[in-house]
Order: sequence, then C-alpha cells, then structure tokens
Amino acid sequence: GQQLNQSPQSMFIQEGEDVSMNCTSSSIFNTWLWYKQDPGEGPVLLIALYKAGELTSNGRLTAQFGITRKDSFLNISASIPSDVGIYFCAGQLGSEKLVFGKGTKLTVNP
Amino acid sequence: DTAVSQTPKYLVTQMGNDKSIKCEQNLGHDTMYWYKQDSKKFLKIMFSYNNKELIINETVPNRFSPKSPDKAHLNLHINSLELGDSAVYFCASSPAPRNIQYFGAGTRLSVL
Repeated sequence: GQQLNQSPQSMFIQEGEDVSMNCTSSSIFNTWLWYKQDPGEGPVLLIALYKAGELTSNGRLTAQFGITRKDSFLNISASIPSDVGIYFCAGQLGSEKLVFGKGTKLTVNP
Repeated sequence: DTAVSQTPKYLVTQMGNDKSIKCEQNLGHDTMYWYKQDSKKFLKIMFSYNNKELIINETVPNRFSPKSPDKAHLNLHINSLELGDSAVYFCASSPAPRNIQYFGAGTRLSVL
C-alpha cells in the first residue's frame, strides 16, 4: 500500500533552535496534513495544505505542499520546551484513507 | 466538552477475553474512524464509517468488529484477544470522508 517516508525519525535540539522535518511519497496526494501527538494524547492537527506549492503558517510553524504533490515539509522556528512530542505527516487523495508517516520525535532541551 | 471521547482510557485484560471500546463525537460529523497505533507509534487505519455505513475496512482480523449505532458513535468490539492486539486504539471523526480528522485521546489496550 501507500507509504510515506518521514524524516528524521528523531531530533534532539536546544531551546531556541529551528527545526525542519519532511515527508515524501511515491504517489501523489491532494491533501497534506501535519499533526502533533503529546504523550498519552491523540494527534492534534497543526496545519492542513490543499494545493500544490501552498505555504501555510500557524504561529511559529510553517508547512509547504510540494509542487510535485509528493512531498511536504514542516518547519518550527525558535523552538520551546512545549514543542516536545511526535510530529506526523499525513497524506490523502480525494476521500481515500489518510496515510500517515512514521513520525518525527522531537526533544527540546531547555 | 470533549469533541471525540473514548472509553475506557486504559484496558488491561487476559488473552482470549472479549472486550469493547466505545467512541462518541459531539461535533456533528458524518464520518468516524478507528486507528491502531503500535509500539513504534505507527498509525494505521482499521475501519471507517460514513453515516453509519462501513466505507473503509482494512485488512484486519475478523475478531475485530466495529459497530455504529448512530452517526455520533462508533464502537469497537474485539473477540478472543491476542497478545499482538496490545496497542493504543484511536477513534477519530471528520465532517465527511475527505475532510480533516479529529482524534480522541486513545485507549491503551494491554493483553496479558
């Protein structure tokens, strides 16, 4: 089935640093989503992207929908301790199932 | 106030038992989902219902049976539990099949 390659698998950074993570797919999507999961909680939507080339920001977060429709990246600027968690990308084509990446575990050292 | 709520949050049981997990959403959404998250945090869809009708049924053992009594509820019944069923199960909902999904807090199932 469809698979998303999400990288890096984990990141250890200092508070204040910028972070970048990305997802690539062998097939196209028309929706890319970025979720964050805190320990013991369900994934929470951060940013939704609906158009190839689209660049969207949500506070310190910025995400882009790749022009080929096969990739997306998420940037976090000036990281803070509460950014800790697992970040998931997810792609969807039409009303088909949402396909998730394997997650990027972010650790922020104060 | 919780939009998508699941019960119980934790479930510890013996191999061979039958158990159910309940999910309710108060968002007025038409579509609901069950996902399984394994120990490596990989999220995989199991089932999806739209207006009480099954629309996605991934390759899941038939020991797993979803039931949607109405649009706001999607329960998951698991028969003859096995060790490999241990995971976190997430319910989610969306306005329609192609819309953004909102997740519950998860049910951590441990089969001993």
